[in-house]
Amino acid sequence: EIVLTQSPATLSLSPGERATLSCRASQSVGTYLAWYQQKPGQAPRLLIYDASSRATGIPARFSGSGSGTDFTLTISSLEPEDFAVYYCQQRSNWPPGYTFGQGTKLEIK
Amino acid sequence: EVQLVESGGGLVQPGGSLRLSCAASGIAFSNYAMHWVRQAPGEGLEFVSAITGNGGSTFYADSVKGRFTISRDNSKNTLYLQMGSLRVEDTAVYYCARGGTSISSYLPTWGQGTVVTVSS
Repeated sequence: EIVLTQSPATLSLSPGERATLSCRASQSVGTYLAWYQQKPGQAPRLLIYDASSRATGIPARFSGSGSGTDFTLTISSLEPEDFAVYYCQQRSNWPPGYTFGQGTKLEIK
Repeated sequence: EVQLVESGGGLVQPGGSLRLSCAASGIAFSNYAMHWVRQAPGEGLEFVSAITGNGGSTFYADSVKGRFTISRDNSKNTLYLQMGSLRVEDTAVYYCARGGTSISSYLPTWGQGTVVTVSS
């Protein structure tokens, strides 16, 4: 099973600042990596797929990069609504299925 | 507008059974793989099961293999998860999610989730 490790576990920033979230895979997943945002009491929302493509309706301040084992989600200038938990997901090895990282909580400083 | 609505969650004793449903609207349901993903209280996301668009292939996480069965009725635009031999560790919010046209896909659309609590 491919393990995804996200860092940091918690990131404290202020609105307007730049956020950089990391996801590292235990083996190469190529560019088969996605990022999701989840707010309390809500379902996850797909932000980025194939490492760097924005999903429909996602603002341009969200960008993804990386390949192989190291990936980054960048939010260029934080808006109040961006404070949430972010998960990465790989779909490289199927079966047995995809895996998610443990999440990074982005909180207001 | 694409909409997924789960139902069927509730409180069940260890060893019991439960069937979850997910009603889809606004999509050509049979064109897409469908998935179940769960989230234990305060925890992250975990793949549970997936099924191809025609229902011909199914996949399960090791943690539920042999206990859960995924199925779909394309005439009713509905996805199911039959859960048996439930354990305390199956307690979670269960989300259904629409995949892509292939089974190995990202999840662009999610339902609001249904809560399953396994407790005596």
